[in-house]
Amino acid sequence: GAVVSQHPSWVICKSGTSVKIECRSLDFQATTMFWYRQFPKQSLMLMATSNEGSKATYEQGVEKDKFLINHASLTLSTLTVTSAHPEDSSFYICSARASGGLRTDTQYFGPGTRLTVL
Amino acid sequence: KQEVTQIPAALSVPEGENLVLNCSFTDSAIYNLQWFRQDPGKGLTSLLLIQSSQREQTSGRLNASLDKSSGRSTLYIAASQPGDSATYLCAVSRGNQAGTALIFGKGTTLSVSS
Repeated sequence: GAVVSQHPSWVICKSGTSVKIECRSLDFQATTMFWYRQFPKQSLMLMATSNEGSKATYEQGVEKDKFLINHASLTLSTLTVTSAHPEDSSFYICSARASGGLRTDTQYFGPGTRLTVL
Repeated sequence: KQEVTQIPAALSVPEGENLVLNCSFTDSAIYNLQWFRQDPGKGLTSLLLIQSSQREQTSGRLNASLDKSSGRSTLYIAASQPGDSATYLCAVSRGNQAGTALIFGKGTTLSVSS
């Protein structure tokens, strides 16, 4: 089956530092990737939609200057949490929408990245 | 704005019981509905996907139904096992177009005792 990877799987950082999370589709191309975050005992909330070669679309209440998204290729999207603070501690999950072929339009989720900001 | 509600929030059953998890959504204009499983601290495992034109999907001991007009879906788990213990998430597509983001419910946390 289709595989989406995320790196790192977990990260602990000091307040004020920036953290980059990678989301890769390993065996398919994805023109669209989605970034979600999940706070403890809460559901997944969509943060932004990332389209290859164009600017990301952010959900209301998500600061685009704080959560930088880059989708430079059909298999890679990155989320950078700039100047992270403890309230940014969360579980970040990406999904990739397959484009073309039999899997087209199917979404595959990555395993998530646990971010802890001290 | 689409909202997804899951009832109950938590459920504890003895091994072997059949059980039903409920999901409701406010906007019936969806492309599909999915049920996921999430183990503590882990990512999502897709269980079943129902297209808006379908009424149900089955996989092993799992059966999911969809009544789009009433905004409801159920996940039926037959002969529950301790390994079924996890949080079950229901999600609908945002809008009735393919490939849109998903709107998730808060989940039902299931505990199956042996």
